[in-house]
Amino acid sequence: NAGVTQTPKFQVLKTGQSMTLQCAQDMNHEYMSWYRQDPGMGLRLIHYSVGAGITDQGEVPNGYNVSRSTTEDFPLRLLSAAPSQTSVYFCASSGRGDTQYFGPGTRLTVL
Amino acid sequence: GQQVMQIPQYQHVQEGEDFTTYCNSSTTLSNIQWYKQRPGGHPVFLIQLVKSGEVKKQKRLTFQFGEAKKNSSLHITATQTTDVGTYFCAGQDNQGGKLIFGQGTELSVKP
Repeated sequence: NAGVTQTPKFQVLKTGQSMTLQCAQDMNHEYMSWYRQDPGMGLRLIHYSVGAGITDQGEVPNGYNVSRSTTEDFPLRLLSAAPSQTSVYFCASSGRGDTQYFGPGTRLTVL
Repeated sequence: GQQVMQIPQYQHVQEGEDFTTYCNSSTTLSNIQWYKQRPGGHPVFLIQLVKSGEVKKQKRLTFQFGEAKKNSSLHITATQTTDVGTYFCAGQDNQGGKLIFGQGTELSVKP
């Protein structure tokens, strides 16, 4: 039981490049979420999903896309990276109304 | 939209002193959760409060949920150096979907 896994751990991009942050969980959780963490801003919700095939926007969705084709996977796509997207990204999963389990995070730098 | 405010942003205490962080939501919550994040780590679940006026204790930590289910607090008695980290509250709306985090309170403890 690996819990929530994220890849890569670190990534450096140039402005305008695209990439996908991977997130997977093996706990059969319905809910999955993506957060970004910036100094002094706490954890801000980007997108979330309440089940396979269902996604919704969080507080800061612009510049990011998600899809949920399976229960296990919830990738986050950066369409055209910008320096403002430099951040630490956390994926989390939970059962309905339950506690969230966080992955180890991806530290992204956009030059 | 739903907002969760947390104060203070930083708290520096001497070992043995008490510590409190406060959380306020703009909307009524179905539940509130507390997380701790050690430096360089990911958020880890501490506790969930569901009932109006609920009080829960974990050793030196006391958690309260307000009567109106819009505010909460975490109190640590006689802090220790192991308490260092950032404490986040997170409110879940009545739809049981997205979890909105406060900005966090960073606690430092001087031995």
